[in-house]
Amino acid sequence: SQQGEEDPQALSIQEGENATMNCSYKTSINNLQWYRQNSGRGLVHLILIRSNEREKHSGRLRVTLDTSKKSSSLLITASRAADTASYFCATDDYGNKLVFGAGTILRVKS
Amino acid sequence: NAGVTQTPKFRVLKTGQSMTLLCAQDMNHEYMYWYRQDPGMGLRLIHYSVGEGTTAKGEVPDGYNVSRLKKQNFLLGLESAAPSQTSVYFCASSYHITGELFFGEGSRLTVL
Repeated sequence: SQQGEEDPQALSIQEGENATMNCSYKTSINNLQWYRQNSGRGLVHLILIRSNEREKHSGRLRVTLDTSKKSSSLLITASRAADTASYFCATDDYGNKLVFGAGTILRVKS
Repeated sequence: NAGVTQTPKFRVLKTGQSMTLLCAQDMNHEYMYWYRQDPGMGLRLIHYSVGEGTTAKGEVPDGYNVSRLKKQNFLLGLESAAPSQTSVYFCASSYHITGELFFGEGSRLTVL
């Protein structure tokens, strides 16, 4: 079974708006990662947040982690058409190999 | 830098045929992985390796075999392909088992 589950499954917004995606997981983790996948391409690492961190920024990306609720959110500010992609969270399974969720499909309309 | 390279990118097989997918990385990573991606299922780990000469089963290993004879290469084999193995296969590598993964561009396999 999957460790992380993203919500919503799909999201459609206008260019310039903010996009928020959520990830819930089941077990204790050492870190949580977010990846982006453009259509027909491999996954690309976006950001890693450790279990002792609550928030992390990278450019227009903001990730939060709430270990008490076993959840994380990815916020993309001022979205662009080029942000259209699938986004996946991945968590380590008890400090073991990464397990991926099913992903959120983001469509940014120009 | 090439990063992670997968070959072939596309392949069509008939049921019962065999084939091997090759993954090569040039980052000197110890850890390598094979995932399959199916619509609505995300990525599921097939097999992985924690170093040259080692392999381990992931979440969905049945019907697949792997080998890691050289540190830079990780091979995924299908001995007798089945239509259920129609999927997109991704290879990845990492410096640490819970660290950032570097992915190849994928290999699209269709089994008729």
